[in-house]
Amino acid sequence: KQEVTQIPAALSVPEGENLVLNCSFTDSAIYNLQWFRQDPGKGLTSLLLIQSSQREQTSGRLNASLDKSSGRSTLYIAASQPGDSATYLCAVTKTASKLTFGTGTRLQVTL
Amino acid sequence: DAGVIQSPRHEVTEMGQEVTLRCKPISGHNSLFWYRQTMMRGLELLIYFNNNVPIDDSGMPEDRFSAKMPNASFSTLKIQPSEPRDSAVYFCASSFTEETQYFGPGTRLLVL
Repeated sequence: KQEVTQIPAALSVPEGENLVLNCSFTDSAIYNLQWFRQDPGKGLTSLLLIQSSQREQTSGRLNASLDKSSGRSTLYIAASQPGDSATYLCAVTKTASKLTFGTGTRLQVTL
Repeated sequence: DAGVIQSPRHEVTEMGQEVTLRCKPISGHNSLFWYRQTMMRGLELLIYFNNNVPIDDSGMPEDRFSAKMPNASFSTLKIQPSEPRDSAVYFCASSFTEETQYFGPGTRLLVL
């Protein structure tokens, strides 16, 4: 059974810092990996999707990398802002469509 | 597009009552997913449909839970009878084939 773990569980950084969120998964036979953002009391917003054949994806200040063989992904956030405060979830699919979510990292960016 | 629409947004009910959650996926999407989120277990996939057909319901916790998708623009998740341990946030998501899933705002269910 696929297990997805995210470290750290919570993180607080001052505005302007660059930061890295980690995601690890036990079964490397994945179809793709996605990073989501969840604001308190809200649904999930997809940030980046990396296909299993890709190594990274970038969107603005966000960069996600994937090392399938080692079962790891990282989400890099450059020049963090208070508006980045949220819970970040990674999710993997083994078969198309069926997402298995990680435990999440709660990020707080302070002024 | 209005995105994925879920109703109600909040539901408070008493143990033993029937609960029906509703979802309208994004127009043109052919896959629909129901998830449950709790503090203890995180986000779990309950069931997903492709072209209105249930493909995988292995995440449905027990027979008290049932889901239907009578057409491409509507799905329901029903709990009968409800129990306090069903209290959670239930999300609906939709996608086109194997692309990114778009989530609704969720229904917050409290069973007393």
